Amino acid sequence: AQTVTQSQPEMSVQEAETVTLSCTYDTSESDYYLFWYKQPPSRQMILVIRQEAYKQQNATENRFSVNFQKAAKSFSLKISDSQLGDAAMYFCAYRNTGTASKLTFGTGTRLQVTL
Amino acid sequence: GAGVSQTPSNKVTEKGKYVELRCDPISGHTALYWYRQSLGQGPEFLIYFQGTGAADDSGLPNDRFFAVRPEGSVSTLKIQRTERGDSAVYLCASSLSWVTGELFFGEGSRLTVL
Repeated sequence: AQTVTQSQPEMSVQEAETVTLSCTYDTSESDYYLFWYKQPPSRQMILVIRQEAYKQQNATENRFSVNFQKAAKSFSLKISDSQLGDAAMYFCAYRNTGTASKLTFGTGTRLQVTL
Repeated sequence: GAGVSQTPSNKVTEKGKYVELRCDPISGHTALYWYRQSLGQGPEFLIYFQGTGAADDSGLPNDRFFAVRPEGSVSTLKIQRTERGDSAVYLCASSLSWVTGELFFGEGSRLTVL
């Protein structure tokens, strides 16, 4: 079974600074997807960024980028120019390719953004 | 609707009662998922529907939990003889394509069992 580990329960960053959230996972598959989801107090999970394992290039979405290290099974999220609205829970998630489409989530990292 | 809609937003019930939680997915999304999120944890998979049928129900914790999606759109998660340990946020998500894997989530139903 696949597992996802987020070892940072809480992180804090000053507004306009950069922060990196860590995620490691365990799988025996060679092809899969990785995701970062944001969960604000509204409880709705919002997709931040996704990465296909077969792609060597790291995904980027505006201020959000990932550092995907397939051999190390590491998938960290970098948030640049942090904004107050970035404060939320962040969850790393894994999904196999194929029809069994369930996501496996980590335990989350709470990000605080300070002035 | 524009997004995944879940009702009720909050439900308080007594131990032993029966509850139903409803999910209305994004129009046209054939895949629908239920997750349970306990306090301080990440969401845990419960069940996945492709159309009307449950393609994977391996996450349902026991036979008190049941979910249906009779017409391939709205889904209902049913919990019988509720226990205090069932207290959690129940999240629903839908997806247009299992290939891309992107799930769109609702705001969840918070269940509290007294």
